[in-house]
Amino acid sequence: GAGVSQSPSNKVTEKGKDVELRCDPISGHTALYWYRQSLGQGLEFLIYFQGNSAPDKSGLPSDRFSAERTGGSVSTLTIQRTQQEDSAVYLCASSLGGVGRYSYNSPLHFGNGTRLTVT
Amino acid sequence: DAKTTQPTSMDCAEGRAANLPCNHSTISGNEYVYWYRQIHSQGPQYIIHGLKNNETNEMASLIITEDRKSSTLILPHATLRDTAVYYCIVRVRAYNQGGKLIFGQGTELSVKP
Repeated sequence: GAGVSQSPSNKVTEKGKDVELRCDPISGHTALYWYRQSLGQGLEFLIYFQGNSAPDKSGLPSDRFSAERTGGSVSTLTIQRTQQEDSAVYLCASSLGGVGRYSYNSPLHFGNGTRLTVT
Repeated sequence: DAKTTQPTSMDCAEGRAANLPCNHSTISGNEYVYWYRQIHSQGPQYIIHGLKNNETNEMASLIITEDRKSSTLILPHATLRDTAVYYCIVRVRAYNQGGKLIFGQGTELSVKP
């Protein structure tokens, strides 16, 4: 079936502009995650949504970053007043999620990311 | 969070088994070990995961020691397409942390002809 879909695949923006990145998770997956990967660096956790629970925002680097998930499916990551250090690949993942033991036994499946370049 | 330690890099001859080690000495009894890999310019790809027992699927085998303090990912017949960074992750298991995966630096595996 279809995997996690992210759009756009590439985005170039000027410093100071706002950007929105979109993620379409795998159908039926209730958990959704955002990560970012700067050039030559590891994957950095940003935010996690599980059903109707309050999101885990502990990885967001500043208040310029926000994310929402509408209808328990599609998610949008918004970066306001972009800076050059925001340049990175932004990755979205989804999993079956749920609660308790089952959630930890469900792998995350990643999209191929959005490459953001801030000039 | 249970941390993992992996070698920075490894080489493997094509057609041979690739054995990638991982230490996770602070793992808790109910935390899963996950393995992912990332090929350049792609998102991480799920390989396998386990709790206590050894696991095998079409991609790899996962061997977990009895004390759960270390594990080994085995690619039985490595090909050039297996060249990638391999991540060993102990999945966070806490009420308010939702099972997110925290990635380390991984092992860069080079499969050579």
